Amino acid sequence: KAGVTQTPRYLIKTRGQQVTLSCSPISGHRSVSWYQQTPGQGLQFLFEYFSETQRNKGNFPGRFSGRQFSNSRSEMNVSTLELGDSALYLCASSLAPLEAYNEQFFGPGTRLTVL
Amino acid sequence: GDSVTQMEGPVTLSEEAFLTINCTYTATGYPSLFWYVQYPGEGLQLLLKATKADDKGSNKGFEATYRKETTSFHLEKGSVQVSDSAVYFCALKVSGANSKLTFGKGITLSVRP
Repeated sequence: KAGVTQTPRYLIKTRGQQVTLSCSPISGHRSVSWYQQTPGQGLQFLFEYFSETQRNKGNFPGRFSGRQFSNSRSEMNVSTLELGDSALYLCASSLAPLEAYNEQFFGPGTRLTVL
Repeated sequence: GDSVTQMEGPVTLSEEAFLTINCTYTATGYPSLFWYVQYPGEGLQLLLKATKADDKGSNKGFEATYRKETTSFHLEKGSVQVSDSAVYFCALKVSGANSKLTFGKGITLSVRP
């Protein structure tokens, strides 16, 4: 069974631009979560989607948004990029929502660099 | 709010040395506890987990025991290998509508031959 895939693996953008990252969960998994990883702040939860609905959201500004499609694939969008948005963005999928007893499987991440 | 505190790193050990990585937590509810590992250039992999007090999670020679009285979940391995070199994250999850994984800052382990 294929793992969680994320595209692209690397991105370079400039301040003010917007970016869209994509995540394909493991087949059969309906929950997708997004995390931001930076050296300073570590791993921080962005949001979780289940059955095309956002179930939970972390403490990030509204410039960070996401969505989930009927095939469970998810995208996250960051508008008006700032230098501080440079990070590794990780996607994780699971069978059930985070509130249930379940394991999350992580993708390799998308490395975003904002210049 | 919920939080996880890991010991400061990095940690450098010789092969076959004993490993302990400390992890303590604060949680508003009754959390499940996890250790994740991240190898260079990769995402996170679940190493082990424990869902209730006194449970011991184990995998690949690593162990951690859920200690409710000390709110700790320390990771141990009796004999580390060069291939164990990675970043290790302790995490917790409290069930509920706002459930999410809360991670510690991670610690880099380097094992030299």
